[in-house]
Amino acid sequence: GAVVSQHPSWVICKSGTSVKIECRSLDFQATTMFWYRQFPKQSLMLMATSNEGSKATYEQGVEKDKFLINHASLTLSTLTVTSAHPEDSSFYICSAKRGGAGYEQYFGPGTRLTVT
Amino acid sequence: DAKTTQPPSMDCAEGRAANLPCNHSTISGNEYVYWYRQIHSQGPQYIIHGLKNNETNEMASLIITEDRKSSTLILPHATLRDTAVYYCIVKAGANNLFFGTGTRLTVIP
Repeated sequence: GAVVSQHPSWVICKSGTSVKIECRSLDFQATTMFWYRQFPKQSLMLMATSNEGSKATYEQGVEKDKFLINHASLTLSTLTVTSAHPEDSSFYICSAKRGGAGYEQYFGPGTRLTVT
Repeated sequence: DAKTTQPPSMDCAEGRAANLPCNHSTISGNEYVYWYRQIHSQGPQYIIHGLKNNETNEMASLIITEDRKSSTLILPHATLRDTAVYYCIVKAGANNLFFGTGTRLTVIP
């Protein structure tokens, strides 16, 4: 149980285009989903937190107009990187949490984005 | 959330127990200790968490000192597939997970 999937697993896009990454909780309902970014040889950095049906909360320094997050249902959240640039190339990882204070987060396998 | 300190790297012989330490001297009474690991180019995997009692599951054991200022994750019989970066995270309730630099564990044949 507690499986989280991401699609695509990797994507290459041209500079200036937009890319959408999907995150799904396959066997549970996720009231909260999280998006992280990880650059090579660095740790995960939280980008934003989203609750189903409400606007995402972005961490300081993360541009909400560039990284659009939609959490339209209890099993799906999407991250759209708009007008991507080479510096947006990174490993994007989502996680999902059931409701309740004590539940651990379950992470997706990540999406490798390369912007050329 | 309390800050944690972990050694940057450790080696362990295959088949032996891997003991990964974590210091969290500023932990508050309502904060849990979580352990995750990240195998190269994959998303983090939840391992175990605890508040003050020792915990054990099919993956590992978590030993928390009585004063809760430090803990140790124990992988009883390390295999090559346990090579990963292990993160010790302290957080309260519904707060978010913030990852530090973790410990890179290398299991040696």
